[in-house]
Amino acid sequence: DAGVIQSPRHEVTEMGQEVTLRCKPISGHDYLFWYRQTMMRGLELLIYFNNNVPIDDSGMPEDRFSAKMPNASFSTLKIQPSEPRDSAVYFCASRDLANEQFFGPGTRLTVL
Amino acid sequence: GENVEQHPSTLSVQEGDSAVIKCTYSDSASNYFPWYKQELGKRPQLIIDIRSNVGEKKDQRIAVTLNKTAKHFSLHITETQPEDSAVYFCAAGPSNTGNQFYFGTGTSLTVIP
Repeated sequence: DAGVIQSPRHEVTEMGQEVTLRCKPISGHDYLFWYRQTMMRGLELLIYFNNNVPIDDSGMPEDRFSAKMPNASFSTLKIQPSEPRDSAVYFCASRDLANEQFFGPGTRLTVL
Repeated sequence: GENVEQHPSTLSVQEGDSAVIKCTYSDSASNYFPWYKQELGKRPQLIIDIRSNVGEKKDQRIAVTLNKTAKHFSLHITETQPEDSAVYFCAAGPSNTGNQFYFGTGTSLTVIP
């Protein structure tokens, strides 16, 4: 298995633009998590899905953030409109029934 | 909800010495405790985990201990090497409050050659 796949790996955009981050979890994993990591705030859970259903989105900072999981092999995190304070590394992770959770390589987002 | 505290935030050791990182958790229902290593610019990588029905687990130079009564668990790295330098995160979950992991704030370990 290739592990969790994320794209793009780097994204530079201007304030106000829409940003879409993509994730392909490990096949067979039932849980998918979106995290944001910054020096100031550390690793923050944004939202997680179980069997494609959003379970807890209390970590989504505001309405500008949305996430979807249309099927078991794909999820998106969208920011619209983006702001400079959204600059961070966004990680997707998936987990199997044994609770082993694996992270993707991350997307480094820079909003100018 | 669950609260995970991790200490110390930074740790420097001489190559060959041991390093110990400690975490406490608050929710007695948490039953799985993974440890992640994150090198600069890389993803967190699962290095070892322990489940609530086990008190200790070892994998080569890395060991983890769990004290359920006291609600704390620790990572032990023996014979440290420069490549052990990284940020280490502990986590706890799932629990009655949800299926997410609650992460500690991380320990930056530096192994001095």
